[in-house]
Amino acid sequence: QSALTQPPSVSGSPGQSVTISCTGTSSDVGNYNRVSWYQQPPGTAPKLMIYEVSNRPSGVPDRFSGSKSGNTASLTISGLQAEDEGDYYCSTYTITTMLFGGGTKLTVL
Amino acid sequence: EVQLLESGGGLVQPGVSLRLSCAASGFTFRTYGMSWLRQAPGKGLEWVSSISGSGDYTYYADSVKGRFTISRDNSNSMLSLQMNSLRGEDTAVYYCAKGYFSSHMDVWGKGTTVTVSS
Repeated sequence: QSALTQPPSVSGSPGQSVTISCTGTSSDVGNYNRVSWYQQPPGTAPKLMIYEVSNRPSGVPDRFSGSKSGNTASLTISGLQAEDEGDYYCSTYTITTMLFGGGTKLTVL
Repeated sequence: EVQLLESGGGLVQPGVSLRLSCAASGFTFRTYGMSWLRQAPGKGLEWVSSISGSGDYTYYADSVKGRFTISRDNSNSMLSLQMNSLRGEDTAVYYCAKGYFSSHMDVWGKGTTVTVSS
């Protein structure tokens, strides 16, 4: 059982928007603004997509956006493209450990 | 270009030791915290350990505390993970990443595979 809860799968058609949720507690997600999101296409290493809740690293399309409300963080992908398929993981931390969600498989129909 | 290249993985028997290395390039290595993360076959990401830029501070997941040791050589831009008393549940792809457990991992290596089996 993962420390952060994500839906196992989401799907959408090209051009649509999807949102992936990440639920923690008041001791982790709710307590820190250091929620990150990672994309992992099949057979590849993870890639940072969002950091500190809503910041995009250089090179990440603005179709990817992040937000947080209370103990739940969200990643929204608008204008879905086939290349967005893969697994998505949220993460945050507590005083001495880094936490991950169990991952969400995004399928572009 | 920032790059991380892991090495040292392999097939080992339970109870033995293995040392992973990560060669870093393209950034000022000594100024960044570094981490090891892993992913068991068909499973999600798991943080393993982090070390501060100076090497003075280290942190470990409970699952590896007392068995794994993270270290760094800032003069050669190398990160290491000494893994002792390996178990079957340590079987995973191990990733080296630029970043600290209390922040985010902005660069990842391609990973090295460790298989623990008799």
